[in-house]
Amino acid sequence: KAGVTQTPRYLIKTRGQQVTLSCSPISGHRSVSWYQQTPGQGLQFLFEYFSETQRNKGNFPGRFSGRQFSNSRSEMNVSTLELGDSALYLCASSLREGGNTIYFGEGSWLTVV
Amino acid sequence: DQQVKQNSPSLSVQEGRISILNCDYTNSMFDYFLWYKKYPAEGPTFLISISSIKDKNEDGRFTVFLNKSAKHLSLHIVPSQPGDSAVYFCAASAGDGNQFYFGTGTSLTVIP
Repeated sequence: KAGVTQTPRYLIKTRGQQVTLSCSPISGHRSVSWYQQTPGQGLQFLFEYFSETQRNKGNFPGRFSGRQFSNSRSEMNVSTLELGDSALYLCASSLREGGNTIYFGEGSWLTVV
Repeated sequence: DQQVKQNSPSLSVQEGRISILNCDYTNSMFDYFLWYKKYPAEGPTFLISISSIKDKNEDGRFTVFLNKSAKHLSLHIVPSQPGDSAVYFCAASAGDGNQFYFGTGTSLTVIP
């Protein structure tokens, strides 16, 4: 069974630009959540989607947004990039909507210059 | 406000001995806990879970203990192997959706 797939794996963007990251969950998983990991920090929750609806949102500015499609694939978007947005962005999928183990993809490394 | 804390940034253990990684939390509503292992440049790999209705869960060399009154959980790895060298994260959820709060990780080094 294929795991969580994230694309692209690495990207470099300039301040002020926007970026879209993609995530394909494990087959059959309907919940997708996104996390940001920066140096020295643990993983910070961004948002979670279940059945195309955002269920929870972390404490991030509105520049961070996401969506989920009917096939459970998800995208997250960061607009007006700042240097501090440089991070590893991790997508995780889960079978159900709560109280479940979440399984991570390899992540997308974003560098903002 | 860090609701999940791993106070030991690093730990070194001899091969074959026990590794004990600790995690503390502050939110009494947390009822589901996970441990992950992470290598550099890779995503976290799920190791073991425990729900608040249990105080212990075992899976092979990995055992997680939960002390709800102390708001403390620990991961025991026995015996430790060099391949266990990685950063370990604990995570907790209050059961409303899959929003997890993560600790900052403990870097484990197993010395051959």
